[in-house]
Amino acid sequence: EAQVTQNPRYLITVTGKKLTVTCSQNMNHEYMSWYRQDPGLGLRQIYYSMNVEVTDKGDVPEGYKVSRKEKRNFPLILESPSPNQTSLYFCASRLQETSYEQYFGPGTRLTVT
Amino acid sequence: GENVEQHPSTLSVQEGDSAVIKCTYSDSASNYFPWYKQELGKGPQLIIDIRSNVGEKKDQRIAVTLNKTAKHFSLHITETQPEDSAVYFCAASSGGGADGLTFGKGTHLIIQP
Repeated sequence: EAQVTQNPRYLITVTGKKLTVTCSQNMNHEYMSWYRQDPGLGLRQIYYSMNVEVTDKGDVPEGYKVSRKEKRNFPLILESPSPNQTSLYFCASRLQETSYEQYFGPGTRLTVT
Repeated sequence: GENVEQHPSTLSVQEGDSAVIKCTYSDSASNYFPWYKQELGKGPQLIIDIRSNVGEKKDQRIAVTLNKTAKHFSLHITETQPEDSAVYFCAASSGGGADGLTFGKGTHLIIQP
């Protein structure tokens, strides 16, 4: 089954403790991205990657890092999480930079205390 | 950059009635307009999309209309059913590249029995 998977689905952590949210897709998509979803703000892009070793900032990149060492994986790294990063995070992928259809993962709900 | 406005934020309709959600966009270069449905605890799922060379597209009970001159597009759901209850997001894109999709803030559709 073609899908985007994320882990963990739920995470509660404390301020300053480094964490990684994994994302993997099995559709051989080149383009992957991370969004955060907050009430009243909709979906905002954090980082995106157009291919292996090619990443760039989205609209709200502060406090986040990403890496793209393999085509299928695109982890989101929070080096020093803060409470304002409490949010619902979605990974997404599409075939290529110029493709239209985008597929989302199931989401990771992160709480930073 | 692109800005997408979505209205209403909440819409309550009687089962069997029609629902209409409206979006406007700012960038005349945008040429792809998808609609996503997000059910509780899940990631957004593409339900229908339209490209700028088409004015209307229909898929069973859902349809999308696009007015490029006025820069607005709408989602129409007819004969609403309880399973239509969800949050719906519109988005706009110029078809790839760094900007990806710009999302509206979402509409919470409630189907009253």
